[in-house]
Amino acid sequence: QSMLTQPPSASGTPGQRVTLSCSGSSSNLGSGSVNWYQQFPGTAPKLLIYNTNQRPSGVPDRFSGSKSGTSASLAISGLQSEDEADYYCAAWDDILNGLVFGGGTKLTVL
Amino acid sequence: QVQLVQSGAEVKKPGASVKVSCTASGYTFTAYTIHWVRQAPGQGLEWMGRINPNGGDTNSPPKFQGRVTMTRDTSISTAYMELSRLTSDDTAVYYCARERSGTGEDSWGRGTQVTVSS
Repeated sequence: QSMLTQPPSASGTPGQRVTLSCSGSSSNLGSGSVNWYQQFPGTAPKLLIYNTNQRPSGVPDRFSGSKSGTSASLAISGLQSEDEADYYCAAWDDILNGLVFGGGTKLTVL
Repeated sequence: QVQLVQSGAEVKKPGASVKVSCTASGYTFTAYTIHWVRQAPGQGLEWMGRINPNGGDTNSPPKFQGRVTMTRDTSISTAYMELSRLTSDDTAVYYCARERSGTGEDSWGRGTQVTVSS
């Protein structure tokens, strides 16, 4: 069981804005930042958002992150078919003294 | 360009150990922490631990303590993850990734498939 909770699936239509959620606790999301990763089948994860709302170079500004208390969100605006992938959140946990991941959300573009 | 090149697929018997390597290029090896993350078939990502190549200090979650050993050889910019007492539950793709404090794991290896089967 993951320490961060993500809905297993989400969907949207092209052009739509979708929001993926990630819920944690005071020892992880409540005390630090969150990262988001995108993963296509058979490939390594790719860093999408770091430090809650920062985009690495090359990541489109359609992707944005936010956090409030012990919950975090990844928003994707102008949804495109190529956004269909698995999305994972991750945060440092102060009690575990380690990185914890959410179980991932499979995003389907209808 | 930044690259993390991992060693090839492994097939091991239960009870054996496996050692996966991760060779870095395109950046200063000692400037970034190396994380190890695994993914079982059809499952999510699981953090196994990290090593600071500049000094060699490591930490890993309780689940893997006593079973995982992370080392590095700075002369060849390579990090290693050894997992012992393998069981079928350890069948997974093992990834290495680099991270500089606060900036996330921005570069990942392509993964190493480890299969544990009798």
